[in-house]
Amino acid sequence: DTGVSQDPRHKITKRGQNVTFRCDPISEHNRLYWYRQTLGQGPEFLTYFQNEAQLEKSRLLSDRFSAERPKGSFSTLEIQRTEQGDSAMYLCASSTGQGGLNEQFFGPGTRLTVL
Amino acid sequence: AQSVTQPDIHITVSEGASLELRCNYSYGATPYLFWYVQSPGQGLQLLLKYFSGDTLVQGIKGFEAEFKRSQSSFNLRKPSVHWSDAAEYFCAVGYSSASKIIFGSGTRLSIRP
Repeated sequence: DTGVSQDPRHKITKRGQNVTFRCDPISEHNRLYWYRQTLGQGPEFLTYFQNEAQLEKSRLLSDRFSAERPKGSFSTLEIQRTEQGDSAMYLCASSTGQGGLNEQFFGPGTRLTVL
Repeated sequence: AQSVTQPDIHITVSEGASLELRCNYSYGATPYLFWYVQSPGQGLQLLLKYFSGDTLVQGIKGFEAEFKRSQSSFNLRKPSVHWSDAAEYFCAVGYSSASKIIFGSGTRLSIRP
């Protein structure tokens, strides 16, 4: 399978705990994106990387959130001191980054439940 | 600000009937337009996209969409729906100056047997 993969698929945690999600993009895709999707809403952009550089962060990304893509391949999204409002589906996507805006391929998502 | 509006939260159509899902976007130069479908437990799958050229674009699964610049619309159509088309449909817009995609809130499609 050469699609975008995410791990874990589900995460249940208690309020105040830290969680980390991983995303493995399609091989050789330069761009990697994180989105958050709450129930009944479309995905909302959080941040994106071109190779290892984090080029844009949404205002939704509070200081409790941090994302990394250390070698320009996989990426991690960490949420510190989780709150119930963080409960959502966290989606990762990747694209080739060739030219202008191009098609983003999405992973299955990580569903986070904060109790 | 860039935005996408999908005015229909939920639509139910009979199997075999035609379908049109509405999408309007905020004004912007050279919009890149997308329709994605999301089935329960599945990731987002791209149905079709419009970058330039012919304003009527064909996608997978028999879907098509028409870009109308004068109306800032990009409506999705299918001449005859199948029960397997039941899912959530998202319209999205991007701009060449940015890499993020702005999604609408989605339209849930139910199919009546």
